Amino acid sequence: QVQLVESGGGVVQPGTSLRLSCAASGFTFSSYGMNWVRQAPGKGLEWVAVISYDGSNKDYAASVKGRFTISRDNSKNTIYLQMNSLRAEDTAVYYCAKYRAPYSSSTAGDYWGQGTLVTVSS
Amino acid sequence: DIQMTQSPSTLSASVGDRVTITCRASQSISRWLGWYQQKPGKAPKLLIYQASSLESGVPSRFSGSGSGTEFTLTISSLQPDDFATYYCQQFNTYSWTFGQGTKVQIK
Repeated sequence: QVQLVESGGGVVQPGTSLRLSCAASGFTFSSYGMNWVRQAPGKGLEWVAVISYDGSNKDYAASVKGRFTISRDNSKNTIYLQMNSLRAEDTAVYYCAKYRAPYSSSTAGDYWGQGTLVTVSS
Repeated sequence: DIQMTQSPSTLSASVGDRVTITCRASQSISRWLGWYQQKPGKAPKLLIYQASSLESGVPSRFSGSGSGTEFTLTISSLQPDDFATYYCQQFNTYSWTFGQGTKVQIK
């Protein structure tokens, strides 16, 4: 069965860095684009970043562009989110989500991880 | 950027009610729309993709319709397990955009 497990969250000070990981299993990881989506406490869903199945295409929300970097290692079935220059407004639960269709440029997310909480506070 | 607007923001209903949630896109997204259900402390769950296709395992009381800029999610007979927050999402572009959510609560 498909599983996505995020890790790497925690409490950090403003201006510092953190790297999140999302380990995937139960499907052909190298065939699917992957996304990061976040949810601030009590708020709605905000898309953060996407990476294509082969890592050749990436895109970011304007709110994180230039500070966050998405990457993947298909040999480890894992995607990453490197978050630099963190701000209080980055505080959220971060979810990874799998594209529903393989080799797709964009589609819905059919499986999501359980999320990892990032708290940015002094 | 494409903006997604859901209405209402909150909906009070009873078990057995027919419930409709509307989602409007700021520009045409064809049928590149999904609907998700989220319960407190849980990840979103995909219900509908391509505006009207029911995801595997999702009860048939859920249905979606629309194209272009206007979309609806309908729950034909609300069940106790359906009290949750619902989000629409466009995937017409490489980036995703979500609506602000509709909370369905017990009347």
